[in-house]
Amino acid sequence: GQQVMQIPQYQHVQEGEDFTTYCNSSTTLSNIQWYKQRPGGHPVFLIQLVKSGEVKKQKRLTFQFGEAKKNSSLHITATQTTDVGTYFCAGLHANDYKLSFGAGTTVTVRA
Amino acid sequence: GAGVSQSPSNKVTEKGKDVELRCDPISGHTALYWYRQRLGQGLEFLIYFQGNSAPDKSGLPSDRFSAERTGESVSTLTIQRTQQEDSAVYLCASSLVLAGNEQFFGPGTRLTVL
Repeated sequence: GQQVMQIPQYQHVQEGEDFTTYCNSSTTLSNIQWYKQRPGGHPVFLIQLVKSGEVKKQKRLTFQFGEAKKNSSLHITATQTTDVGTYFCAGLHANDYKLSFGAGTTVTVRA
Repeated sequence: GAGVSQSPSNKVTEKGKDVELRCDPISGHTALYWYRQRLGQGLEFLIYFQGNSAPDKSGLPSDRFSAERTGESVSTLTIQRTQQEDSAVYLCASSLVLAGNEQFFGPGTRLTVL
């Protein structure tokens, strides 16, 4: 099936630092969604990007959708301990009705 | 209203037994999805239902896995003759319509096959 690749798999961040996680698809995506899963919890929707080159912000989180609609990124500034968890991107390919989830980036924060 | 609920929250079974997992989607959501998440891994798509349309079963790993949904209500995922590699968290999600909408996930059922 169609896949979405996500890197890095793990991100160890000093509290207060910034980091970015990246998502890539070999084919064009109709849209891309991002989810966050806290340890022991279930995935929770963060945002959806639909337009080419779209940028959306949620407080310290900035989401981008590439011009070619094949890649996306999540950038977190001034990381806090509340940012701990696994961040998944999920892409919807054209002519498909199911999301393809990336493997996730698991974030740990050093206080 | 209430979110997606799943039962049981935990299930321990012996190898070779059948198990049935239940998902109650959010009322009014026409689309329902099942995923499997092994420890420390991502989400593996299993199946989705959209209203009364034929389900997409392309993600079911073997014929031991089956799922049903009546209309736009409860869904059950059945695993027959369980194997140790079936041990995982099984997540259910629902959305208003199929594709292009955020998915609301349930808390999952943690299945352990001894």
